[in-house]
Amino acid sequence: DIQMTQSPSTVSASVGDRVTITCRASQSIGTWLAWFQQKPGRAPKFLIYKTSSLESGVPSRFSGSGSGTEFTLTISSLQPDDFATYYCQQYNDYPLTFGGGTKVEIK
Amino acid sequence: EVRLVESGGGLVQPGGSLRLSCVASGFTFSDHYMDWVRQAPGKGLEWVARIRHRPRSYTTEYAASVKGRFTISRDDSQNSVYLQMNSLEAEDTAVYYCGRGRGISHYTFDFWGLGTLVTVSS
Repeated sequence: DIQMTQSPSTVSASVGDRVTITCRASQSIGTWLAWFQQKPGRAPKFLIYKTSSLESGVPSRFSGSGSGTEFTLTISSLQPDDFATYYCQQYNDYPLTFGGGTKVEIK
Repeated sequence: EVRLVESGGGLVQPGGSLRLSCVASGFTFSDHYMDWVRQAPGKGLEWVARIRHRPRSYTTEYAASVKGRFTISRDDSQNSVYLQMNSLEAEDTAVYYCGRGRGISHYTFDFWGLGTLVTVSS
C-alpha cells in the first residue's frame, strides 16, 4: 500500500498568513494527488486534483504543486473560511489512501 | 445540483450486518464510478470500496480491511449505490460517505454525501 504522510499535523496561523502543507508518498504516484478540505461535522470538499488543477469554484488562493513523492498545498492568504482540516489523497494505485490530515487553526 | 444522500446507518452488534444506500441526483449516475469512504470518530478518512461503471463491467475494488466482508453494488436504474456490510466489527464504527468518482485514467472523488453513521457495539 502507498502510505501518505502529511506535515505538520497542526498549523496555527492568522488571517492573511501564507500556509503550506506537505504531503509525502511512500512511493512515486506521478501527479495523481488530490486535496480535500473538511470542516467539523461536514463532508470533505474537493479542492485540487492531479496535483495542481483547481476544482471549479475553489478560490485561487489555493494552489498545489509537486510530483513523484512530494507535494504541497499552499494557501496564499488565509481567510476565515479556510480554518479546517486538509487531507491529501493518492489515486495512482489501489488501495486509494489518504494522508492523516492537517488541521489549520486560528493562532 | 449534484446530490448524494446516504441512508441505512445505525447501531448494530458485533458480527451483525447492515446495508447502506446512497441515492444520487443532479448528474448522469451511470457515467460515473462510485465509492464509499469512511471516517471513524475523531479520525481521518479511509477509502472503503469502489465500483466502476458499465463500460468497465461494474468491476470493484476494496480496502484490505473490508475485503470479504463488505460488498459494493449499484443499480443505475435507481441512481443508487449500496454497501452490504457483514461480520461487522467495532473497528467498522464510522461515518460512511458515498462519493462520486472523477477522472479519466485515474479516478479520485469530487462530490460527497453528508454521510451515515454506523455504530458497531454490544
